[in-house]
Amino acid sequence: QSVLTQPPSASGTPGQRVTISCSGSSSNIGSNSVYWYQQLPGTAPKLLIYRNNQRPSGVPDRFSGSKSGTSASLAISGLRSEDEADYYCAAWDDSLSGHVFGTGTKVTVL
Amino acid sequence: EVQLVESGGGLVQPGGSLRLSCAASGFTFSSHWMSWVRQAPGKGLEWVASIKQDGSEKQYVDSVKGRFTISRDNAKSSLYLQMNSLRAEDTAVYYCARDSGSSGWDNWGQGTLVTVSS
Repeated sequence: QSVLTQPPSASGTPGQRVTISCSGSSSNIGSNSVYWYQQLPGTAPKLLIYRNNQRPSGVPDRFSGSKSGTSASLAISGLRSEDEADYYCAAWDDSLSGHVFGTGTKVTVL
Repeated sequence: EVQLVESGGGLVQPGGSLRLSCAASGFTFSSHWMSWVRQAPGKGLEWVASIKQDGSEKQYVDSVKGRFTISRDNAKSSLYLQMNSLRAEDTAVYYCARDSGSSGWDNWGQGTLVTVSS
């Protein structure tokens, strides 16, 4: 059972902005950094955002992350067909003494 | 180029054992924590275990404690996951991932499928 809650799906047309939420608690998001991973169909996950809002080299600036209190968000602006994928948030949980993932959000480009 | 290549997956009966391996190259293996993350068919990601650079500290998700053991051989740049007392719910693709601390799991292998079934 995932500790971090995400909406199961999100969608938009090409060029639109899509936002995915990730809700946690004081023991995870509230006190630790949030990470976002993108998983294209049939492939391994890929790091998209680290330390709440930092992008690894090579990740387009269309992707941005933010955190406030016990929630975090991933925004995709200028949506493109290649952004169709599953997106997961993750954080360390102090109470569980382990890493936890979000439930995952499937993004569809209409 | 960083490469992580998992192997050792397969079909095993409930109660059986399996050892997964992850061969790393393209970076200084001994400088990084390493982790295993799994994904059951059609389900989300689940962190399984992590190990410190020198192997002195290990962390596990509660559901595998006492059954799985993570280890590493820095001389061989290899990561392992010994899985005992396997259950149907352990069926998943197991990914090896490089842990760059506050920079996240920045490199992943292609995964190896473990199927627990009679």
